Amino acid sequence: AQSVTQLDSQVPVFEEAPVELRCNYSSSVSVYLFWYVQYPNQGLQLLLKYLSGSTLVESINGFEAEFNKSQTSFHLRKPSVHISDTAEYFCAVREFQGAQKLVFGQGTRLTINP
Amino acid sequence: GAGVSQTPSNKVTEKGKYVELRCDPISGHTALYWYRQSLGQGPEFLIYFQGTGAADDSGLPNDRFFAVRPEGSVSTLKIQRTERGDSAVYLCASSSGQSTDGYTFGSGTRLTVV
Repeated sequence: AQSVTQLDSQVPVFEEAPVELRCNYSSSVSVYLFWYVQYPNQGLQLLLKYLSGSTLVESINGFEAEFNKSQTSFHLRKPSVHISDTAEYFCAVREFQGAQKLVFGQGTRLTINP
Repeated sequence: GAGVSQTPSNKVTEKGKYVELRCDPISGHTALYWYRQSLGQGPEFLIYFQGTGAADDSGLPNDRFFAVRPEGSVSTLKIQRTERGDSAVYLCASSSGQSTDGYTFGSGTRLTVV
């Protein structure tokens, strides 16, 4: 079975500051890794995913995440945040084979202050 | 359709009543998932369909919960004898069924049991 731990339930930052949202996972098998974002009053949207290859993956809106196998982490970063990044962010894992379900972390609420 | 559609968007019911929640996935998506999200928590897996059959129902909390997908498209989540603890947002997602794909989520049904 897999589990995902998001170490911070809330992260407040000022606009244009850098941010890191932490995610650690536990699994006995190889997994794919995902970050989802949920903007206020909207559904979950896929932000980015790590499948294989380069351990650094990027989204179209400036976020990036780095897969670290030895530390079983997949932290999400952005060098300069905007008010529009205010949302809840969820880290998730999925087995290579077998169970097709995504297992989610508890979420991190990112609040951007002007 | 263009996205995953869930109806109703809100449902208030009395304790002990029966409810049905509907999910209309993206056309052509063979995999369909139901999740439950309680306040301040990440989505919790309930059940996964591949085509018409439930491939994994390990997340259903008890036998009051049941889901069907008779024609491999629309799915209905059914909850009997509702309890106040069933109050949550019920999320539906669909995908092509490939483990490398992320899911496309609907906006959810907010169920309130009073």
